[in-house]
Amino acid sequence: QQQVKQSPQSLIVQKGGISIINCAYENTAFDYFPWYQQFPGKGPALLIAIRPDVSEKKEGRFTISFNKSAKQFSLHIMDSQPGDSATYFCAASTSSNTGKLIFGQGTTLQVKP
Amino acid sequence: DAGVTQSPTHLIKTRGQHVTLRCSPISGHKSVSWYQQVLGQGPQFIFQYYEKEERGRGNFPDRFSARQFPNYSSELNVNALLLGDSALYLCASRSGTGGVGGNEKLFFGSGTQLSVL
Repeated sequence: QQQVKQSPQSLIVQKGGISIINCAYENTAFDYFPWYQQFPGKGPALLIAIRPDVSEKKEGRFTISFNKSAKQFSLHIMDSQPGDSATYFCAASTSSNTGKLIFGQGTTLQVKP
Repeated sequence: DAGVTQSPTHLIKTRGQHVTLRCSPISGHKSVSWYQQVLGQGPQFIFQYYEKEERGRGNFPDRFSARQFPNYSSELNVNALLLGDSALYLCASRSGTGGVGGNEKLFFGSGTQLSVL
């Protein structure tokens, strides 16, 4: 019940295209859902996060869509750029303890020029 | 402002040895969490400390221990190293004051890459 399942494992997108990564969770106590971006040799960096009181949150080219009834959420990267090539992780926690994140398995994104 | 800093950046140990990893949180952050990231997988929660007290522990054996100091820096200790302990160990910090509905963003350091031979 603590798992967060992420798909796809890898993704190749042309420059300017839309990258979509999906996650599903089981624990209904989770109410904080961040997305992290990680480059090789670096720690994860917070991109954007959402709470279940909204169905969508947008920051620049990054959008989270949230479906509470389906227990699913997704990251959309609009106008994908080669610099977006990295590994993306979804995560979940309770908002009272965001220091204890449950991470998905990761998606390696390659944006081709 | 400095982010979360970890030392050392790389470490090579042999099986059975002991290792200590160090972390300095972002200034003003009172909560520190430790994660283990095996190559090709997402980070796994090990420990969380807030105001020098353990506030959470993941599914790791007792060979793993940690502590937080009065200046909020932290150490992760691993005893009797196994080959399977080879991983990137990540430290993360947050302010710890947001609580429910608060803006409790978690910031990660670049990690310590531990290789056990």
